Parts: sequence; structure tokens; C-alpha cells
Amino acid sequence: KNEVEQSPQNLTAQEGEFITINCSYSVGISALHWLQQHPGGGIVSLFMLSSGKKKHGRLIATINIQEKHSSLHITASHPRDSAVYICAVNQGTYKYIFGTGTRLKVLA
Amino acid sequence: DVKVTQSSRYLVKRTGEKVFLECVQDMDHENMFWYRQDPGLGLRLIYFSYDVKMKEKGDIPEGYSVSREKKERFSLILESASTNQTSMYLCASSPHSSPFREQFFGPGTRLTVL
Repeated sequence: KNEVEQSPQNLTAQEGEFITINCSYSVGISALHWLQQHPGGGIVSLFMLSSGKKKHGRLIATINIQEKHSSLHITASHPRDSAVYICAVNQGTYKYIFGTGTRLKVLA
Repeated sequence: DVKVTQSSRYLVKRTGEKVFLECVQDMDHENMFWYRQDPGLGLRLIYFSYDVKMKEKGDIPEGYSVSREKKERFSLILESASTNQTSMYLCASSPHSSPFREQFFGPGTRLTVL
């Protein structure tokens, strides 16, 4: 069993839908990161969380430390949100553990 | 803005060739990383460097070596490329001082070994 599990693996949505991507982890962490990878490969950091909730534009990320679970929500989804979303946890050292990613496709 | 650049976006090499992948960051970050990304496996750490000339093995160092002669540059070397090293290679950097250790990624190099 992977230490970081994401669900779903693939997701297709219609433009305007509310989207939720989930991440569960089984190790102690100092922070959880949500990353976005567009076709072509480059990865950008969306959020770093150690507790609570963060919002940036149409993106919202939450974390429940007790349940070892985080969610990434996209409101009013748009085709430009189509990407792979990756959850990664950091254990307070240089080491990160990455989920395998959720491939999102938003149809116009 | 932090910028991490990689020497090539796409690279095709033959089995047995020595391959150099270069990564340069412009924000004076102490930490630099090399990952490979394969379908269904997520990113896996090959090597990590926390200072000039310092390196630590990651989860999958076999068949790879690294060089960090200058703070801004971290090179990944495939001593004798093999077909199972066909993959996407991603470089990242991060500052020592960041408490949550945000990483900044390069655009990736998609390497094909024939």
C-alpha cells in the first residue's frame, strides 16, 4: 500500500462543475503540498498545508491532520484546469512522498 | 520568481551512451533534487544535494550519479544508459530556510533510450 493515496485516478468533468480530489496518507507529516502538472511536464506548487484550509482563486485546499486526509476543490471548473494534480507530503526533512496523481479533464 | 531550468525538454539516446542532464536554478537555493516520473508510480527521488559537492542517495540511485560543483547547478549523469531509464526527469530546488520546504520544479526532460 502506498503511503500517499489519491482518488480518483482519473476524472472528467463538464465546465462549471465543482471538483474534489482526495489525498490520504499513512505517515506523520510536517506539511502537505498540492501540485499541478500541465501537459509538457512542468510542475507548479498550488498549496502548502499544515493545518486547516487555504483558498486561492477558485481553488480550495483542506487538511484534517487527525484523519490524515486532504482535499483539493476546484469551483466553477474550466478547461484550463485540465492537468494532473499531485499530492505530496513532507516529513520535516528533504524527503517528500508523492501520490501518483489525479488526471483531470474538464470539457467545454 | 524562482526559475529552474533544465538543459533539454526532449532527449533521445542509445543504449550504452553516457547521458548528462543539467539543471540550473537562479534563486541561491541550497537544496536541489533529481526525480524521475513514470506512469502509475509518481515521482521518485534519485539524488538529493544540500550543498556544493554534497549529495545523498534517494530511493532509486542505481545507474545514476550526480555532480554539484556550483551552488546553482546540479547535474544528473547516466553512466551507461539503458532502456529502463526511459522516463521523465524532473529537477527541483528548495531553500534551507523554508519551514515547509516548498520545492520549485524545472520543466522536465523526457528521455528516450533506444
